[in-house]
Amino acid sequence: SAVISQKPSRDICQRGTSLTIQCQVDSQVTMMFWYRQQPGQSLTLIATANQGSEATYESGFVIDKFPISRPNLTFSTLTVSNMSPEDSSIYLCSVLDGGDGYTFGSGTRLTVV
Amino acid sequence: QQQVKQSPQSLIVQKGGISIINCAYENTAFDYFPWYQQFPGKGPALLIAIRPDVSEKKEGRFTISFNKSAKQFSLHIMDSQPGDSATYFCAASIGYSSASKIIFGSGTRLSIRP
Repeated sequence: SAVISQKPSRDICQRGTSLTIQCQVDSQVTMMFWYRQQPGQSLTLIATANQGSEATYESGFVIDKFPISRPNLTFSTLTVSNMSPEDSSIYLCSVLDGGDGYTFGSGTRLTVV
Repeated sequence: QQQVKQSPQSLIVQKGGISIINCAYENTAFDYFPWYQQFPGKGPALLIAIRPDVSEKKEGRFTISFNKSAKQFSLHIMDSQPGDSATYFCAASIGYSSASKIIFGSGTRLSIRP
């Protein structure tokens, strides 16, 4: 199954700043997915990143707040912009891994102070 | 109609017992029902999945029971072990492809007491 490396694993950021999260997959994939998991909560899809095109955002998430890059078939970044304490969450990237379902990275635990 | 409702929110089971987690859905178009296991500090990992053409699927100590008419499915963990202590998420999607949006349940925090 695919192996996903996600960086950073955790960060503490000041209100109003931005953080870029990196996701590297060890194989080429068409689509990469970004999720948010608020403390003790389920996973909510933020957007789908397709190489060579604009990301598709879910309701409640906008590009200005969560810009995504997808420069090639193995890499994507998610930026959390102008952060507030409400953005404190775990952010996860994911790919569909053939018969193994969705494979997730270990996540980035973000705390905004 | 896109929701997947999961219960209980938390569950404590004695070692060797049976852990049961239940999920219900409304959208009859859902045709892929996976369960994910998440340990602290890790991303969710696929545990077992079922399609609605079968009523039960077993993999080792883990069994999914599926009731299509009731629109419910459940995860049974037999002979529960302390290493099974994790958060479990049920999920559902229409189809199984990169274009399929997967909907997750709210999660169940399972603790197995030694």
